[in-house]
Amino acid sequence: DSGVTQTPKHLITATGQRVTLRCSPRSGDLSVYWYQQSLDQGLQFLIQYYNGEERAKGNILERFSAQQFPDLHSELNLSSLELGDSALYFCASSSHGETQYFGPGTRLLVL
Amino acid sequence: AQSVTQLDSQVPVFEEAPVELRCNYSSSVSVYLFWYVQYPNQGLQLLLKYLSGSTLVKGINGFEAEFNKSQTSFHLRKPSVHISDTAEYFCAVSNSRGGSEKLVFGKGTKLTVNP
Repeated sequence: DSGVTQTPKHLITATGQRVTLRCSPRSGDLSVYWYQQSLDQGLQFLIQYYNGEERAKGNILERFSAQQFPDLHSELNLSSLELGDSALYFCASSSHGETQYFGPGTRLLVL
Repeated sequence: AQSVTQLDSQVPVFEEAPVELRCNYSSSVSVYLFWYVQYPNQGLQLLLKYLSGSTLVKGINGFEAEFNKSQTSFHLRKPSVHISDTAEYFCAVSNSRGGSEKLVFGKGTKLTVNP
């Protein structure tokens, strides 16, 4: 158990819908990272937050957004969902930015 | 930009045999290097990491890796594998010089240990 929690574990929704994925980092970790794992793209970095502020952006679509709240939990919002958004979404956290610990992931299926 | 190449997409081995999973990286700056393991239908678990110091790094479950700067490699080894080592293994790199610490992953190597 990494200490990073993600909810929900599974999510099934329809095209055009909007979903919110939630992540709670390890106690004391200020950085939260979001990654997408898909069969064709592999594991790709989406976005990083540090203590409530956006720190880095990767291959994140404009339909996707994220935020980190004062209690340090983070949410990833995916809107206008398409079939191609079906993937495993991971959250990771770190304290000093050197080592990231991953949550169990949220498996999203868009029908 | 950084990139990671895992040279083998699939590696089948017999139980108790040694295994090496190969990883090469490309980066214009100093890096940290990681190996993560993903068991079926599970998340990513950190196996080991190289941040600095000794180039031979030992991790969990009897795995070790050696950082070779001249060959830009970070190969993962285990002298004797078990059935329970069947999983997908990911090599990853991050920038050690500050800024974003995002991880860049290789495409993964599926290790299958057969009885």
